[in-house]
Amino acid sequence: KNEVEQSPQNLTAQEGEFITINCSYSVGISALHWLQQHPGGGIVSLFMLSSGKKKHGRLIATINIQEKHSSLHITASHPRDSAVYICAVPIIQGAQKLVFGQGTRLTINP
Amino acid sequence: DGGITQSPKYLFRKEGQNVTLSCEQNLNHDAMYWYRQDPGQGLRLIYYSQIVNDFQKGDIAEGYSVSREKKESFPLTVTSAQKNPTAFYLCASSIGWGAHPGELFFGEGSRLTVL
Repeated sequence: KNEVEQSPQNLTAQEGEFITINCSYSVGISALHWLQQHPGGGIVSLFMLSSGKKKHGRLIATINIQEKHSSLHITASHPRDSAVYICAVPIIQGAQKLVFGQGTRLTINP
Repeated sequence: DGGITQSPKYLFRKEGQNVTLSCEQNLNHDAMYWYRQDPGQGLRLIYYSQIVNDFQKGDIAEGYSVSREKKESFPLTVTSAQKNPTAFYLCASSIGWGAHPGELFFGEGSRLTVL
């Protein structure tokens, strides 16, 4: 079992829909990162959170430390939101390193 | 603006050749990383460096080499010993490292194709 699991792997929706992408992890972490990978390949950091909820524009990220689960929500989705969304966690036990989820490919159709 | 610059964006290599991918950051970050991304797979760590003149092997270091002679530079050499080098390579940096890296910054990536 991977230490970080994302769902769904692929998601297609219509413009304007509310989007939810999930990330579950099985290890102890200090924080969780949500990343966005553009079609060209570059990656940008969207959120880093260790508790509660963060909001940036139409993007909202939540984390439940007890349940080891995080969600990324996109409100009023737009075709420009089409990208791969990746969650990443720095592991605090053993070999301290970042572990990445497989990514969720989101396509928003106009 | 601060950021990470990778070059070249696209690179073609003949079998048996070594190639070097450049990664430069002006964020004054101590930690730098090289990742490999293959279709349908998550990012895999090749090498990382926590400080100048020091670097550590990641999960898939075989066939790769790095140097960290300057804080802002962390070049990756893909050697002829790497059996399947065709992939997308991403460089990243963070102000901290290990379990507490802080915010992550990535370059635009370099796509290497072996002919």
